Amino acid sequence: GAGVSQTPSNKVTEKGKYVELRCDPISGHTALYWYRQSLGQGPEFLIYFQGTGAADDSGLPNDRFFAVRPEGSVSTLKIQRTERGDSAVYLCASSLMGGGGNTIYFGEGSWLTVV
Amino acid sequence: DQQVKQNSPSLSVQEGRISILNCDYTNSMFDYFLWYKKYPAEGPTFLISISSIKDKNEDGRFTVFLNKSAKHLSLHIVPSQPGDSAVYFCAAGGGSNYKLTFGKGTLLTVNP
Repeated sequence: GAGVSQTPSNKVTEKGKYVELRCDPISGHTALYWYRQSLGQGPEFLIYFQGTGAADDSGLPNDRFFAVRPEGSVSTLKIQRTERGDSAVYLCASSLMGGGGNTIYFGEGSWLTVV
Repeated sequence: DQQVKQNSPSLSVQEGRISILNCDYTNSMFDYFLWYKKYPAEGPTFLISISSIKDKNEDGRFTVFLNKSAKHLSLHIVPSQPGDSAVYFCAAGGGSNYKLTFGKGTLLTVNP
C-alpha cells in the first residue's frame, strides 16, 4: 500500500484480556518500529525490527508486551493480561532502512482502551 | 529526564503571519532532527528534517533552523494557513541510532 496500515483502528478490551495489533509497513521498507503515545505525550519508542529480527526491544515496558515480524513485512504487537495503564495509541512506523538519518513514516495508529 | 523539550504547549497565529515553533534538546549525541505534524485521530506525518551538518533546511513554506551550540531548533511556517492548525512534534535521533525521541508537542492554531 501507499502508507503504513494499522488494524484495528480502535480496540476496546476488558482488563486482563489479550490483544493483538497489526501493522503493514510501506512496501519495500526493511525497518519497522512500534511506538506508543499516551495522552498529552509525544510518541515513545517500544521496539525496532530490521527485517525479521527485533534489533532492539528495550522500549517494551514489561514482559506482557511482545512483537513479531515473521516474514519481514507485517508485524503484530501482542499485549497479554492488559491493564488500564496500557490504554494509549499504538503507532507503527517504517523506514526504507534502519539507522540514523532515515525518515520514519507513521501509520494512523491503533487506539487501545482497556476498561 | 526529557531529552527533547517543546516548552510551548500551544501557539496561536493569524493567517498569513509567521508561525515559529521551538524545540530544545539535551543529548549532544543527537544529530538528526525531524518535525512531524499530527491532526486529531491521525498518525504523525513527516514534515521536514535537518541533519547536524546543516543549520537550515527549507521546503516550501517550512524552514527548520538548527543551532547546535544552543541545542535548539525551530520550525518556521510562512505564511501560516488555517490548514496548518495541528499538533507539531519535534523529534531527534543520533548517529546510527534508529530510535527517535519526541517532544510533547505544540498545538498550533492558525486563525482565519
